[in-house]
Amino acid sequence: GNSVTQMEGPVTLSEEAFLTINCTYTATGYPSLFWYVQYPGEGLQLLLKATKADDKGSNKGFEATYRKETTSFHLEKGSVQVSDSAVYFCALLDQTGANNLFFGTGTRLTVIP
Amino acid sequence: ETGVTQSPTHLIKTRGQQVTLRCSSQSGHNTVSWYQQALGQGPQFIFQYYREEENGRGNFPPRFSGLQFPNYSSELNVNALELDDSALYLCASSGRGLYGYTFGSGTRLTVV
Repeated sequence: GNSVTQMEGPVTLSEEAFLTINCTYTATGYPSLFWYVQYPGEGLQLLLKATKADDKGSNKGFEATYRKETTSFHLEKGSVQVSDSAVYFCALLDQTGANNLFFGTGTRLTVIP
Repeated sequence: ETGVTQSPTHLIKTRGQQVTLRCSSQSGHNTVSWYQQALGQGPQFIFQYYREEENGRGNFPPRFSGLQFPNYSSELNVNALELDDSALYLCASSGRGLYGYTFGSGTRLTVV
């Protein structure tokens, strides 16, 4: 079956620190992988995506590389800002059926000045 | 372009009651999916509608049902509400074959 395992939070970092949030997945086929971000009181926003092995998704300074050999899609950012404080979800897209997303449990990031 | 809009934003219901949540999909999107997000958890797939027909369902009981209308808007209905149904319900729309899902801000349902 399909599943996503995320590094448990919460994560607290000082501004300008380096961020890594680990994500590994299990899938029956060759899924597309995503990172979504959820700010307080809001829905989910797509942060970045990768559709095949070795693809690198990037947006707003965040990056993640689709690693098929380690079934991972770790999120990184070189220098976090207070405005990055949010909950981050790793997800995979099951393309064998209804094209529905499978999400991890989320990692709460707090960046302090 | 307009995004995905959901209504109402908040709702309180009593156990055993029925509830209807509404979603207007993003312009040009013909597929709507519903997700349930319990507190502190990731969203769980409920079902998806494409061209007014159910196109896949997650592990939710039949008391969770839905509709999609010709304008691609959608409803989620939940009968015989239980306390565990308290959650944020998210609607997401997409164009068929595209990888982009646009999420609404959700409806926060509290069952007391």
